[in-house]
This record gives sequence, structure tokens and C-alpha cells, in this order.
Amino acid sequence: DQQVKQNSPSLRVQEGRISILNCDYTNSMFDYFLWYKKYPAEGPTFLISISSIKDKNEDGRFTVFLNKSAKHLSLHIVPSQPGDSAVYFCAASGLRGSARQLTFGSGTQLTVLP
Amino acid sequence: DTAVSQTPKYLVTQMGNDKSIKCEQNLGHDTMYWYKQDSKKFLKIMFSYNNKELIINETVPNRFSPKSPDKAHLNLHINSLELGDSAVYFCASSQAFLNQPQHFGDGTRLSIL
Repeated sequence: DQQVKQNSPSLRVQEGRISILNCDYTNSMFDYFLWYKKYPAEGPTFLISISSIKDKNEDGRFTVFLNKSAKHLSLHIVPSQPGDSAVYFCAASGLRGSARQLTFGSGTQLTVLP
Repeated sequence: DTAVSQTPKYLVTQMGNDKSIKCEQNLGHDTMYWYKQDSKKFLKIMFSYNNKELIINETVPNRFSPKSPDKAHLNLHINSLELGDSAVYFCASSQAFLNQPQHFGDGTRLSIL
């Protein structure tokens, strides 16, 4: 059972436009959410995060929105640039016993067209 | 300076062999992890160590044995390799018990012939 879902395997956006990546989760015990960016043959790189006590966090061109009632988060990239082309993973963090554990979605391949 | 480094980057070997993957972090983190990325691209936690102590052990075959000689190192030893072990294995580290992101290595692509 997938507790974190990214239903769009791919997204193509024109340079300069907004990219919106979506993520849904099922476990209400998750209290911290992250987005990672991954290039081929590299490890995931942390991009931005949000605590469950907030509904928005912004960092430059990247904004993450959290809708707790809908168990939904999204990542907005404005304006999109060709260098943003990568796989984006959504992750949710919760306590498992005494340890924090990340649960990842399956990723969305973003392609920004010049 | 690479924060989380794992070696080797590629590993091609025969079924039945034993192999190890090494991981080191220089971030001063107290917790390290091993993840497996399967053919469907899901990143799944395998193990987590905090200050050399095993704290997460998902349903992983006993053929996989993590070893943490100190809190900066977490190695993964795999016995009797099987075809289904082919995957990319990622090491990561973080400060435990805090809402802080995990930092990942670049992965080890394991291919079983």
C-alpha cells in the first residue's frame, strides 16, 4: 500500500511558465513533508520542506503548499527553467517508534522545454 | 567535498556472490540509512542506524547485513546475491529525531548477471 502517491509520472512545461507537481498521502501521522530533486546517476537532493503546522513555505522560485484536510501537497516552480528538468520526489516524514522515517512517492519527471 | 559518499558507483557480479557497498558521511550526522530504488523507481527504506545502533530494520532478507563501525560509516554487505537484488542502493544521513532533511549519496547500481 502506497502511503505517498505521485499520480503524474511526467510533466512537460514551457520555459518561463509555472510547473505544479502534486503529491497525496494517506497517513495522518506524517508531520513533515519534503521535496527532493534527482538528476540521472545522482542521489536525490533536498529542495524544500514544510511542517504540518504550516500551509505554505517559499524559497525563491519554489513554493510548497500543504492542505492537511485533503492530505495533499504541491510544489510550484515559477518561473520554470530548463535546468529544473529532473525527477521530483515527494517524501513524508513520521515517527516510527523512536525514529523518524521517510516514505517516498514514485516521482514525477519534469521536462522544461526551452 | 562530498557530504555523503558511497563506493562503488557500479557493481556488476554473478548470482551467488557476496559483495559490500561502503558509505561515509562528513556532515556530523548521527543517523545513517540505506534505501533501495527498485525498477519501479520507488525509494524504500531498508535500514537505519543511530550512533551505530540499528533503529529501523524493514522486511529485508537476512542476506543483507548492515555494519556501522562508527557514526560516520554505514556499510552494506549482501550474501548470496540473487537476480532480484539488482537495483540502485542509496545511502543517506541526517540528524535523528529532528525534522531535518536527509542527505543522499549518489547511489550504487548493482547488476546481477
